[in-house]
Amino acid sequence: DADVTQTPRNRITKTGKRIMLECSQTKGHDRMYWYRQDPGLGLRLIYYSFDVKDINKGEISDGYSVSRQAQAKFSLSLESAIPNQTALYFCATSDSGRGSVTEAFFGQGTRLTVV
Amino acid sequence: AQKITQTQPGMFVQEKEAVTLDCTYDTSDPSYGLFWYKQPSSGEMIFLIYQGSYDQQNATEGRYSLNFQKARKSANLVISASQLGDSAMYFCAMTPGNQFYFGTGTSLTVIP
Repeated sequence: DADVTQTPRNRITKTGKRIMLECSQTKGHDRMYWYRQDPGLGLRLIYYSFDVKDINKGEISDGYSVSRQAQAKFSLSLESAIPNQTALYFCATSDSGRGSVTEAFFGQGTRLTVV
Repeated sequence: AQKITQTQPGMFVQEKEAVTLDCTYDTSDPSYGLFWYKQPSSGEMIFLIYQGSYDQQNATEGRYSLNFQKARKSANLVISASQLGDSAMYFCAMTPGNQFYFGTGTSLTVIP
């Protein structure tokens, strides 16, 4: 099993629908992140969380919300999906131990299409 | 503001040759980490190499090395002896503090 698991892997949804992307990790990391990837724009941070009670907006949080249900679970919701939210979405985790940030471990990605 | 810049949208290299992928960064934080990731066409993000801002020596991992020039704020990835399987998108990333900032990526194509 993957250390960071995203579900679903692919999703097509209609404009205006609410959709949730889920992420779970078995690495025991405290930090979790949601990114979206668009061609030519790299990965942009949507939200991040450093523990269950800590949620922070990234650079492109408008139109998204998150929930950190447990240390291992971090879900991303699109309250009312729109076509320009069509993208590849990644969940990632990292460890803040030893006083420095380790590399980010990524899920397999969720390819979301809003029609 | 933190910023990562990758100025090469696409690169080509002959198989078995070395290639350098450029990355410059901007941060006022004295402590930061620099990372390179590979994204093959299948989409997953694969961690390649890490360099800490206080590390005195350039990081190396097999055929990958990071040419860290702190004064110039550059962290170029060098891939030696390119292989066909190296064809992918490559992302440079930085962590000043608590977030990961990514560049826009470089698409590398290895030519047989």
